[in-house]
Amino acid sequence: DAGVTQSPTHLIKTRGQHVTLRCSPISGHKSVSWYQQVLGQGPQFIFQYYEKEERGRGNFPDRFSARQFPNYSSELNVNALLLGDSALYLCASSSIAGAREQFFGPGTRLTVL
Amino acid sequence: ELKVEQNPLFLSMQEGKNYTIYCNYSTTSDRLYWYRQDPGKSLESLFVLLSNGAVKQEGRLMASLDTKARLSTLHITAAVHDLSATYFCAVDMEWMTGGGADGLTFGKGTHLIIQP
Repeated sequence: DAGVTQSPTHLIKTRGQHVTLRCSPISGHKSVSWYQQVLGQGPQFIFQYYEKEERGRGNFPDRFSARQFPNYSSELNVNALLLGDSALYLCASSSIAGAREQFFGPGTRLTVL
Repeated sequence: ELKVEQNPLFLSMQEGKNYTIYCNYSTTSDRLYWYRQDPGKSLESLFVLLSNGAVKQEGRLMASLDTKARLSTLHITAAVHDLSATYFCAVDMEWMTGGGADGLTFGKGTHLIIQP
């Protein structure tokens, strides 16, 4: 069974640019969450989507947005990139029933120059 | 604001020794998760603890949850080099927000080095 997939694997952008990151959840999972992990820190919650609706939002500026598609895949968009946006962006999928365990994808390493 | 604190943040130990990583959190929650992260990699799920008194074991790792003390522990028995990694605990925010958000709040992680 395929796990959570993310693309691209690595990305280099310059300040002020826009970036779109993509995520496909585990088959059967309808919930997708996004996290930002800065080097040396734990992941920080950005968004959660379920059935194409935003269920939760972390403490991130409006430059960050996301959406979920009918096939439950998701995109994270970041506008007006800052140097501080350089991080590993992780997508996780989960079932909303039972343990609601979140399974993480390999991540997208974003470098902002 | 939900806070999750791990200690120690760094731990160097020798193979064969036992040690415990502690995870304290600031609000009532019945759901706690432990993850492992290898350098440059994503997070691997280790344990899901869903109730007070829950104990789970996998190989040399054992995790427990005390919801009254708001404390979870990850115990390593007879450590081996392959267990070197960063370990994170995480708490489900849904219990804090009353169902509004299902995100996880993570601790800062415990960077574990096991030397031969």
